Amino acid sequence: SAVISQKPSRDICQRGTSLTIQCQVDSQVTMMFWYRQQPGQSLTLIATANQGSEATYESGFVIDKFPISRPNLTFSTLTVSNMSPEDSSIYLCSVEWTYEAFFGQGTRLTVV
Amino acid sequence: QQQVKQSPQSLIVQKGGISIINCAYENTAFDYFPWYQQFPGKGPALLIAIRPDVSEKKEGRFTISFNKSAKQFSLHIMDSRPGDSATYFCAASHTGTASKLTFGTGTRLQVTL
Repeated sequence: SAVISQKPSRDICQRGTSLTIQCQVDSQVTMMFWYRQQPGQSLTLIATANQGSEATYESGFVIDKFPISRPNLTFSTLTVSNMSPEDSSIYLCSVEWTYEAFFGQGTRLTVV
Repeated sequence: QQQVKQSPQSLIVQKGGISIINCAYENTAFDYFPWYQQFPGKGPALLIAIRPDVSEKKEGRFTISFNKSAKQFSLHIMDSRPGDSATYFCAASHTGTASKLTFGTGTRLQVTL
């Protein structure tokens, strides 16, 4: 299996600020994914991050709000920009490894 | 058309009983159907997955039943244990793999003594 580490595990941020979440994988993977899980809700795919190309965003998510970097095959970052209380969620990094999806433990973000 | 509908929202089962969670989908392009287990404060972990070329897959106490014509699939947990108490998500993908998953709404399972 692929082991995924996310940082930070949780944070409380002021509205209007930005937070960058880091995702580190112990294996080289082609695709990494970022999901959002709102409190008590399901997971929604934000974007797909491929190394060497622009991230692909799902409907309802835009690059200006959620810029993503993918500098190499084991690392990615997701930034939540100009935060509002509605951005309070758990953000999860995921990778596809041997046709299965593995998830990090998530970053619990609270915007006040 | 990308939705995956999951029921029930919550479920209470006695220890030793069978837990059954159901999912339905509309997009006939979906070709990979995994189930995930999530404990509080943790990311989802893959339990079992099925592709539409088979109608049932069993791994230990966990079984997926798949009905392609009805566009439904279900998770059965046999001999349910208190340690199974968690939130379960069904999901689907149209890529044949676990990339770009569409998740169901989740079922909170509680197994009582």
